[in-house]
Amino acid sequence: DAKTTQPPSMDCAEGRAANLPCNHSTISGNEYVYWYRQIHSQGPQYIIHGLKNNETNEMASLIITEDRKSSTLILPHATLRDTAVYYCIVRVEVGIQGAQKLVFGQGTRLTINP
Amino acid sequence: NAGVTQTPKFQVLKTGQSMTLQCAQDMNHEYMSWYRQDPGMGLRLIHYSVGAGITDQGEVPNGYNVSRSTTEDFPLRLLSAAPSQTSVYFCASRLRPAGYGYTFGSGTRLTVV
Repeated sequence: DAKTTQPPSMDCAEGRAANLPCNHSTISGNEYVYWYRQIHSQGPQYIIHGLKNNETNEMASLIITEDRKSSTLILPHATLRDTAVYYCIVRVEVGIQGAQKLVFGQGTRLTINP
Repeated sequence: NAGVTQTPKFQVLKTGQSMTLQCAQDMNHEYMSWYRQDPGMGLRLIHYSVGAGITDQGEVPNGYNVSRSTTEDFPLRLLSAAPSQTSVYFCASRLRPAGYGYTFGSGTRLTVV
């Protein structure tokens, strides 16, 4: 159970902002929202995460709705190198010593067009 | 600082053979995990570890063993390879506190014939 829903694919023009939505309506109060991306068949790359507040780093911004049931990842000036599969993930507690696991869904295949 | 290093990058096995996928990290990360990714699918957790000597099963542990004798290394053993284990395997690590993301290796592409 991935606990998140994302559109299977999106397109964006180079230089424009790419806005990737994610629904996580069953998220618990202490669960973070994580975003990763996977370029080609490389290992996933961490982008950003958040709990309640909006977050920004050098790669992207994360906007989380007040009810925490959805979020949007924003790549402010998309480049061709941002073409990848983007995963929105809600961490899930698994057990020993509070370890958590990432539950991956299908992700959104983002294509940046020249 | 090499991050997470996985070896080998590619491997072909015959059904019934055994092998070990290596994973090493030099970031002093407590948490380490193994995932597999099948075509068109997201990653699924095989086993994970929260520190040296402490491991546990993930979603799809059958056919795999792990051990964690040091903080740096987390090898994944295939006991008797089956074609269903053909996949791309990723190792990941992170610091223990909640506010950190995982660093993934570049993957091992395994084919079992």
